[in-house]
Amino acid sequence: QVQLVQSGAEVKKPGASVKVSCKASGYTFTSYYIHWVRQAPGQGLEWMGIINPSGGSTSYAQKFQGRVTMTRDTSTSTVYMELSSLRSEDTAVYFCAGADSSGLYGLDVWGQGTTVTVSS
Amino acid sequence: AIRMTQSPSSLSASTGDTVTIPCRASQGISSYLAWYQQKPGKAPKLLIYAASTLQSGVPSRFSGSGSGTDFTLTISSLQSEDFATYYCQQYYNYPPTFGQGTKVEIK
Repeated sequence: QVQLVQSGAEVKKPGASVKVSCKASGYTFTSYYIHWVRQAPGQGLEWMGIINPSGGSTSYAQKFQGRVTMTRDTSTSTVYMELSSLRSEDTAVYFCAGADSSGLYGLDVWGQGTTVTVSS
Repeated sequence: AIRMTQSPSSLSASTGDTVTIPCRASQGISSYLAWYQQKPGKAPKLLIYAASTLQSGVPSRFSGSGSGTDFTLTISSLQSEDFATYYCQQYYNYPPTFGQGTKVEIK
């Protein structure tokens, strides 16, 4: 079945970087664009950006420009999201989510989420 | 960015009730709207896309309507497993944006 499996929880100090992985299975890796969405404790959903696994092109939310990098490894069907210069406000659950390349059908497959805690 | 507004942020209902959850976009988004259900500690789940199309496997008691700026998610005959938070999301243009969510609680 179509599945996205994310890496485990991370604890980082302010100023550090974190890299979260999202491994896809059950479908053709290049047919689903991967979005990253985060959710701070008790808060709503916040879109961070998108990567096209086929060519690697990306688009980031303005808020994260300069701090976020999304990459992919087609040999392992894995997408990565790296966030740098971490601050306490980046403490959140980070989700990867897949959407058909047409962009018409919403985010229909989600990873389980990765908790990132930023604390000194 | 397009602002998505969900109000109220929470509502109370009983099993068997019909619940309607509104969502308003700050500008017209045609029918590029999705609804998600999220339970505590879990990832969101896609319920409806294109404003009114039910995602495969989602019970038919869920329905969506609207176009342009005003949208509604309706849950008919609320079941115990439906108590959760519901988010709307526009994907008309970038960045995709979510409403702040409506929590459906047990009365």
